[in-house]
Amino acid sequence: GESVGLHLPTLSVQEGDNSIINCAYSNSASDYFIWYKQESGKGPQFIIDIRSNMDKRQGQRVTVLLNKTVKHLSLQIAATQPGDSAVYFCAETASGNTGKLIFGQGTTLQVKP
Amino acid sequence: GAVVSQHPSRVICKSGTSVKIECRSLDFQATTMFWYRQFPKQSLMLMATSNEGSKATYEQGVEKDKFLINHASLTLSTLTVTSAHPEDSSFYICSARVPGVYEQYFGPGTRLTVT
Repeated sequence: GESVGLHLPTLSVQEGDNSIINCAYSNSASDYFIWYKQESGKGPQFIIDIRSNMDKRQGQRVTVLLNKTVKHLSLQIAATQPGDSAVYFCAETASGNTGKLIFGQGTTLQVKP
Repeated sequence: GAVVSQHPSRVICKSGTSVKIECRSLDFQATTMFWYRQFPKQSLMLMATSNEGSKATYEQGVEKDKFLINHASLTLSTLTVTSAHPEDSSFYICSARVPGVYEQYFGPGTRLTVT
């Protein structure tokens, strides 16, 4: 079946360093990918998205890279701050025009001061 | 930006009772809303797709008679957990889809505890 997975369950970085969170997906037909940030006890918060016709998109301190050849997605956070500590999920659109999203397992980002 | 609210944020109920959770899109109309369940340290699991004016579509393994979904207006969807059991204790999150685009905006979640 369709699935989106993450390579590392926990990532610990020093404040000020760059963070890279990786995600593998299996549905080659997906045309939209999103990164969400979820803080404890809260709902997911949209970070950045990318469509399948792109391979890179930049936001404020964040960059998403899409490699369709190996079905890999990554989120780069520049100058990681303590407020970036959270669980990060990648998500992809499910097959068919249903609007459904399939979420990956999540990576916990811990920022050390 | 698009804002989605949920009510209540936390609820404790006794086994066998029913509890209703509301999901509202505050500044846009959402023809489609989604309900997710999330257990501790796990990802979001899609339960059902709620479409305004029609029956909800449930994911495989989700009991439609236990998790009743009503999407009576373009800004409100409700999830009712009927005959709740302790194993239904979870974090329930809704999202609303902006019409015509892929983006989904998530509510803050509802923590359900069944005693």
